[in-house]
Amino acid sequence: DTGVSQDPRHKITKRGQNVTFRCDPISEHNRLYWYRQTLGQGPEFLTYFQNEAQLEKSRLLSDRFSAERPKGSFSTLEIQRTEQGDSAMYLCASSLVHGGHGQYQETQYFGPGTRLLVL
Amino acid sequence: GDSVTQMEGPVTLSEEAFLTINCTYTATGYPSLFWYVQYPGEGLQLLLKATKADDKGSNKGFEATYRKETTSFHLEKGSVQVSDSAVYFCALSEGTGANSKLTFGKGITLSVRP
Repeated sequence: DTGVSQDPRHKITKRGQNVTFRCDPISEHNRLYWYRQTLGQGPEFLTYFQNEAQLEKSRLLSDRFSAERPKGSFSTLEIQRTEQGDSAMYLCASSLVHGGHGQYQETQYFGPGTRLLVL
Repeated sequence: GDSVTQMEGPVTLSEEAFLTINCTYTATGYPSLFWYVQYPGEGLQLLLKATKADDKGSNKGFEATYRKETTSFHLEKGSVQVSDSAVYFCALSEGTGANSKLTFGKGITLSVRP
């Protein structure tokens, strides 16, 4: 088990360019989450997948953002027409949800993040 | 909606001092509570968790007790080390089978001096 990995670790881009980040979850984890963390703040939820289905998107996720998890394994997060306000750390987390009827027990494991700087 | 409030930082302590980091929460249901730690240059790591009232989570000498009556989950350690210097985040998750997204506090930076 190698943990959650993210690529690239750092990205510098010019305003208006498109960027794409990749997340590889822990193998066999069925849930995958994306969060965004700005300086001095805690991470904020963006979206999540259960297997390949994207089940919820935060209002923080504008139309310029799109995420996919085509085969239920790795995921990509794309930002189109980047703005300076998109500069942040983008975090990916994965979890294995198990449990019967009712309450689920879940622990999310985070990757190292991708730090984006938009100039 | 759900929210987590952490005490203002940063916190600077001498080695072997006692540590308390306050965390209170607001939630509509019965959340699970977590402490995550972020060491310099590294990603978030789960430190400990508690899933129901009066549960105590513990790890690496850190402890936190889920207090439903005061909606709190304060982090404590009896004797901190220099290696504990990091940013600490309190978080909650409703965790009822639907989206178990984490709601985080702002985090607090702990610096431990030798």
